[in-house]
Amino acid sequence: IVLTQSPGILSSSPGERATLSCRVSQSVNDKLAWYQQKPGQAPRLLIYGASTRATGIPDRFSGSGSGTDFALTISRLESEDFAVYYCQQYAKSFLTFGGGTQVHI
Amino acid sequence: QVQLQESGPGLVKPSETLSLSCSVSGASVSGGGYYWGWIRQPPGKGLEWIAYMYYSGTTNYNPSLRGRVTISIDTSRNQFSLRLNSVTAADTAMYFCGRISVGDGWSPNWLDPWGQGSLVIVSS
Repeated sequence: IVLTQSPGILSSSPGERATLSCRVSQSVNDKLAWYQQKPGQAPRLLIYGASTRATGIPDRFSGSGSGTDFALTISRLESEDFAVYYCQQYAKSFLTFGGGTQVHI
Repeated sequence: QVQLQESGPGLVKPSETLSLSCSVSGASVSGGGYYWGWIRQPPGKGLEWIAYMYYSGTTNYNPSLRGRVTISIDTSRNQFSLRLNSVTAADTAMYFCGRISVGDGWSPNWLDPWGQGSLVIVSS
C-alpha cells in the first residue's frame, strides 16, 4: 500500500489553518495514523483511527477521512507545530508511511 | 509512563552485522496486547518499517529486508533486539524502536511510544 502526502512543503504563519493530505493507493477504512516529528526527535503519535486524538494532543489537531483520502488539520498554527508530519496505514500487516509534509514558516 | 531506549554501536563496517537493543521501562514486553518493533529513517528521508514481534514468538518482517533481519525479545531483561546482516551504506539511518498495539485479528496498529532513536552509520 502506497501513501502519498501533499503538499511536500507547506509554508504558513502562526495563527493560520493548515490542512495536510494523505492519499492511499487502496482502501484502509479508518486504519490510518498521523505523527509529528521535530528535528532531532522521534515521531510522536497525534491521531489514530483516522480521527481519534492520542493522549495529550491539543484539540487544534484533527483528523478526518476514510477509505483512501485523509486529512490532518491544524486549526490555528502555533510556533511549536512547525515540524514534519507523516501518515501511516495499518490496514495490512505490512506497515507503510507516507513521505511526509514539512510545515514551516 | 512507558519509555523505550535504543542502544548499540553507532558505526558498523560494510558487510558486517548491525545489532541494536531496545530497553523498555514502565511496561513488560511479555505483558501482552502489544507488538514490539523497529523503524528506520535514513538521513533527511522518510520512515521505513523494519520488523515487529510479539512476545510469544510471532514475527513479521519488511519483505525488502527479509533474509537479512532478525528481531528477538528477551523477556528476562525486558528488552528486544534487532540484527541486520550484510550491511551497506544504504543501511545508514536513525533506528527507532516502538510499541505497536495489537488490533483486530492480530493485526498491528500504530506506534506509541517511540524511542529517541539510535544513529547507525555504515562506513569502513
